[in-house]
Amino acid sequence: EAGVVQSPRYKIIEKKQPVAFWCNPISGHDTLYWYRQNLGQGPELLIRYENEEAVDDSQLPKDRFSAERLKGVDSTLKIQPAKLEDSAVYLCASSFRSRGGTYNEQFFGPGTRLTVL
Amino acid sequence: AQKITQTQPGMFVQEKEAVTLDCTYDTSDPSYGLFWYKQPSSGEMIFLIYQGSYDQQNATEGRYSLNFQKARKSANLVISASQLGDSAMYFCAMRDTSGTYKYIFGTGTRLKVLA
Repeated sequence: EAGVVQSPRYKIIEKKQPVAFWCNPISGHDTLYWYRQNLGQGPELLIRYENEEAVDDSQLPKDRFSAERLKGVDSTLKIQPAKLEDSAVYLCASSFRSRGGTYNEQFFGPGTRLTVL
Repeated sequence: AQKITQTQPGMFVQEKEAVTLDCTYDTSDPSYGLFWYKQPSSGEMIFLIYQGSYDQQNATEGRYSLNFQKARKSANLVISASQLGDSAMYFCAMRDTSGTYKYIFGTGTRLKVLA
């Protein structure tokens, strides 16, 4: 079974340029997450989707970040314009929807390492 | 507010020995889950073990066990018989049932297994 797929793995851009990351979750997983992981830190949630609906985007900097998950399968995260402080690893994860309870095993992709110069 | 604290930025352990990675948490929600993930240098986060707040017994998964002390709000990961492949970053995470079921991670502990 294929895991979570992300592309590109690495991206180097100059500040003020746009950038987009793509994620394909594990087949059948209805919940998809985008995280940002700064160097030496744990992942921080940017947005969570349940199917097509963004159910938690409270941490997404909406002035420059946008995301979409058309048809409730793969997803794209975009930054425009990029700033130096956006340099980080962007992780995508997916899981089955947790219907109550707290158990929620997330499966992560390898991440996209973004460097903004 | 939820909070996860990992106070050990780095740990060393001799191969075949056991090691404990510390994690303390804070939440006002009585129902929550605690998770440990491993992140090797390749970058992919790998789920290791889960403990529910109402679980009576400590969770175990192979060489991994979770020392859950609810009153102290701690959920330490114990790795028995360490292997060289265990060298990685380890993250403690928590998910509660308040609000949006937010999932938060600690800052991680880098484990190095010595031959």
